Amino acid sequence: EAGVTQFPSHSVIEKGQTVTLRCDPISGHDNLYWYRRVMGKEIKFLLHFVKESKQDESGMPNNRFLAERTGGTYSTLKVQPAELEDSGVYFCASSQGQGRRNTIYFGEGSWLTVV
Amino acid sequence: AQSVTQLDSHVSVSEGTPVLLSCNYSSSYSPSLFWYVQHPNKGLQLLLKYTSAATLVKGINGFEAEFKKSETSFHLTKPSAHMSDAAEYFCVVRKGGGSQGNLIFGKGTKLSVKP
Repeated sequence: EAGVTQFPSHSVIEKGQTVTLRCDPISGHDNLYWYRRVMGKEIKFLLHFVKESKQDESGMPNNRFLAERTGGTYSTLKVQPAELEDSGVYFCASSQGQGRRNTIYFGEGSWLTVV
Repeated sequence: AQSVTQLDSHVSVSEGTPVLLSCNYSSSYSPSLFWYVQHPNKGLQLLLKYTSAATLVKGINGFEAEFKKSETSFHLTKPSAHMSDAAEYFCVVRKGGGSQGNLIFGKGTKLSVKP
């Protein structure tokens, strides 16, 4: 069974450009999460989808970030326009349910460098 | 509010010696606690989790952690380090309430293993 997959694995863009990150959760997982780790900081929660609906987007830093999950399958995270401080690794994760006993599985991350 | 503290940003051990990575948590109710590991250029992998069952939790690769409510600790241990254990380890608490997927990460501890 495939795990959480993310694309691209690495991306280098210039300040002001747009980048779109894609995440494919584990098949059958209704819950999809985005996290990120910017340089020197902790891994932080960005948002949580249940199917196509945003359950919690309290961690989204500002309106330059837009996450979508049309059809409740894969998700995209768009950064527009990108700033230098957006550099870091963006993790996607998924889980089948939401309860305490549901394991959250992470992808390998999309490493973003804004120059 | 929930939080986790990993005081050691870097721990170095010799191969074959015990590993101890510290984690203290703060939670207003019975927490769900996890340890994740990230090997260089890899994603986050779940090592083990505590969800209010047995207080001594065994994980993959010989790691285990003990939940101690009186000490608010969830330290990660392994009897004998292997070179392949070199990685960054994250202690994580799950935020309750509406978003069960909102994981709160510690700052991480980088483990080095010397031959």
